[in-house]
Amino acid sequence: EPEVTQTPSHQVTQMGQEVILRCVPISNHLYFYWYRQILGQKVEFLVSFYNNEISEKSEIFDDQFSVERPDGSNFTLKIRSTKLEDSAMYFCASRPLGGTSDTQYFGPGTRLTVL
Amino acid sequence: AQSVTQLDSHVSVSEGTPVLLRCNYSSSYSPSLFWYVQHPNKGLQLLLKYTSAATLVKGINGFEAEFKKSETSFHLTKPSAHMSDAAEYFCVVTLSGGYQKVTFGTGTKLQVIP
Repeated sequence: EPEVTQTPSHQVTQMGQEVILRCVPISNHLYFYWYRQILGQKVEFLVSFYNNEISEKSEIFDDQFSVERPDGSNFTLKIRSTKLEDSAMYFCASRPLGGTSDTQYFGPGTRLTVL
Repeated sequence: AQSVTQLDSHVSVSEGTPVLLRCNYSSSYSPSLFWYVQHPNKGLQLLLKYTSAATLVKGINGFEAEFKKSETSFHLTKPSAHMSDAAEYFCVVTLSGGYQKVTFGTGTKLQVIP
């Protein structure tokens, strides 16, 4: 069964450094999402992406964040200058186009640790 | 606007006894509702979903949930807990169609006692 994959599984970085988290959505899916989960807290929506542009973003998703689909398969989340409070698990999700299939399929997550 | 409330942050059951994880939602329109499970250091796995078909939804691993519009609830149940069910469970609400941002509940950690 196809699945969403994410790399790396764990990323450790120094405060102020840039990080790029990578996701490979399921191949025929057209909607893409990033979520984060700070340790001990609930999963929070960051951004949704469709047709090569951001369709919705939360207030968490400020100018330090950006997303990109650089080729036909990858979907990336970039944090320009990481802060301690960016330490979290980041989940990518994808969904096929329309119809009754509104299930988002989640990747295993990337644990980001900012020191 | 939509929101979801998981009434219990922790639930502890003995192995072989029933499981009940409670979820209430609010949504301006007809929602889609999901339960996801997260095992320690793992990603989110879809357990089951309700999308305006049958109100009693069966999922994987013997779980099921009933959509009750009058009570705005979508509680997750299982007749007999297994040790492998110990995990965190998230109730999720979304609106069908569009860009479909999902809203997660705060999660319920299920402990299964041998």
